[in-house]
Amino acid sequence: DTGVSQDPRHKITKRGQNVTFRCDPISEHNRLYWYRQTLGQGPEFLTYFQNEAQLEKSRLLSDRFSAERPKGSFSTLEIQRTEQGDSAMYLCASSLGENTEAFFGQGTRLTVV
Amino acid sequence: GNSVTQMEGPVTLSEEAFLTINCTYTATGYPSLFWYVQYPGEGLQLLLKATKADDKGSNKGFEATYRKETTSFHLEKGSVQVSDSAVYFCALNAGGTSYGKLTFGQGTILTVHP
Repeated sequence: DTGVSQDPRHKITKRGQNVTFRCDPISEHNRLYWYRQTLGQGPEFLTYFQNEAQLEKSRLLSDRFSAERPKGSFSTLEIQRTEQGDSAMYLCASSLGENTEAFFGQGTRLTVV
Repeated sequence: GNSVTQMEGPVTLSEEAFLTINCTYTATGYPSLFWYVQYPGEGLQLLLKATKADDKGSNKGFEATYRKETTSFHLEKGSVQVSDSAVYFCALNAGGTSYGKLTFGQGTILTVHP
């Protein structure tokens, strides 16, 4: 399968723990996006990369969140000191460049207990 | 700021019925508009898009027309099938060149019965 891949698909963690998610975009896609989706809502934009450069961050991305794309290929999203409000589906998408369709992964569902 | 409002669901229809899912938006400038679909257990998929006023996007029998005067992008299909059961999201890209930076509506669940 050559689509966007996210790992893990599900994560349960205790409040206060750190978690890290991984996204592998479609090969040669230079743009990569992270979204958060809570139950019954549409996805909300968090941040995006062009190659390894993080070009934009939403105000939703608090100081406890950090995203990286060190070699311009896969990306990681880390949440430090998780809170129950962080429970959501975290979606990753990638696109080839300007004015091109974004392809979404199936997401990582995070549950903070 | 930018926002997208979809009609509240869920929507339940019989096979071959006509479908309309309303979508209105608020945006500065000239946004591009999209409909994404999420089938059970799958990721979001682009269904159709329109990049300027009066454009009509179409795919798989679905259509939506970009109406700047009413700031709307309603999704329609003349005859739905059971396989169309999914969650539908209206979204906009508020200008710029990154179609992946999207503002989504809350989604509308569609269930089609045989």
